Amino acid sequence: DSGVTQTPKHLITATGQRVTLRCSPRSGDLSVYWYQQSLDQGLQFLIQYYNGEERAKGNILERFSAQQFPDLHSELNLSSLELGDSALYFCASSSSTGQGGTEAFFGQGTRLTVV
Amino acid sequence: GENVEQHPSTLSVQEGDSAVIKCTYSDSASNYFPWYKQELGKRPQLIIDIRSNVGEKKDQRIAVTLNKTAKHFSLHITETQPEDSAVYFCAAGPYNFNKFYFGSGTKLNVKP
Repeated sequence: DSGVTQTPKHLITATGQRVTLRCSPRSGDLSVYWYQQSLDQGLQFLIQYYNGEERAKGNILERFSAQQFPDLHSELNLSSLELGDSALYFCASSSSTGQGGTEAFFGQGTRLTVV
Repeated sequence: GENVEQHPSTLSVQEGDSAVIKCTYSDSASNYFPWYKQELGKRPQLIIDIRSNVGEKKDQRIAVTLNKTAKHFSLHITETQPEDSAVYFCAAGPYNFNKFYFGSGTKLNVKP
């Protein structure tokens, strides 16, 4: 167990709908990262939050948004869903304080299926 | 932003042989290079990492080398075992932002 909790584990929804994925980082970790992994694909960096503020953006679509709350949990919102959004969405957290890279611990992922 | 390229995409070796996976990165500011192993249906897990102040790091059968001048780093697995079969991802992180860009992954198959 990495200490990173993602809910739900599985999600099936229809095209055009909106879903929210939730991530609770390891206790004390300030950085949260979101990644998308499509079938047989690599990990596409979406976005990073550090202590409530957006720190870096990757290949995140405009239909997607995220936030990190004061208790440090994070939510990834996916709207106007398309079939191609079906993927495994990982959240990771690290204790990075901005002084250099540290290990990122991954949650188990949320498998999103858009039908 | 950072661009991490990883090769090969698939690698098949005989049990006991060595496996080498190579990555290149583009951002000279990157100073942290972790390697993650992802077994089928599971989350990625860190297996080894290296920081820019060293050129090589070993942990039992696993080693990573870094060439900052050429901007490439490699994962070496010796005496491979069937349980090493998984997808391996390299990543590179710029010093100031701590975001990790991952390579596209290498599917390693170790044949018994």
